[in-house]
Amino acid sequence: KAGVTQTPRYLIKTRGQQVTLSCSPISGHRSVSWYQQTPGQGLQFLFEYFSETQRNKGNFPGRFSGRQFSNSRSEMNVSTLELGDSALYLCASSLVPGFGGEEQYFGPGTRLTVT
Amino acid sequence: TQLLKQSPQFLSIQEGENLTVYCNSSSVFSSLQWYRQEPGEGPVLLVTVVTGGEVKKLKRLTFQFGDARKDSSLHITAAQTGDTGLYLCAGRYNNNDMRFGAGTRLTVKP
Repeated sequence: KAGVTQTPRYLIKTRGQQVTLSCSPISGHRSVSWYQQTPGQGLQFLFEYFSETQRNKGNFPGRFSGRQFSNSRSEMNVSTLELGDSALYLCASSLVPGFGGEEQYFGPGTRLTVT
Repeated sequence: TQLLKQSPQFLSIQEGENLTVYCNSSSVFSSLQWYRQEPGEGPVLLVTVVTGGEVKKLKRLTFQFGDARKDSSLHITAAQTGDTGLYLCAGRYNNNDMRFGAGTRLTVKP
């Protein structure tokens, strides 16, 4: 079974631009979560989607948004990029939301550099 | 502010030594997971613990969930160079919030 795939793997953008990252979950998984990982802040939760609906949202500004499609694939968008948005963006999939026993599996991430 | 505190932040040991890393919170977890992450890759799930007092073993790794479900530990016996990586704990709280610790960066030297 293929794992979680994220595209692109690397991206360089300039301040003020916007970016869209894509995540394809493991086949059969319907829940997708997004995280931002930086050396200073560690892994921080962005949002979680299930059945095309956002179930949970972390403490990030409105410039960060996401969506999920009917085939469970998800995208996240960051508008008006800032230098501090440089990070590894990770996507994780699970069968259903929440992990009261449900396991989530991470993709390799998209490394975004904002110059 | 990290809701989940991991300690130590860095750990460098020789191959064959034992080690323990900790994950603590002042809040109760509904469940907790441990991951290992290598540079340039996403975290890989090692274990999920749900019940207070639960102990799970994965070869040389032993995971323990505190009785009060506020803390957890990961013990590695006879560490190998392949154990090198960033060990992350992640807890789901009862309000459905999910939080990761900052991680323990382990280096096992040959």
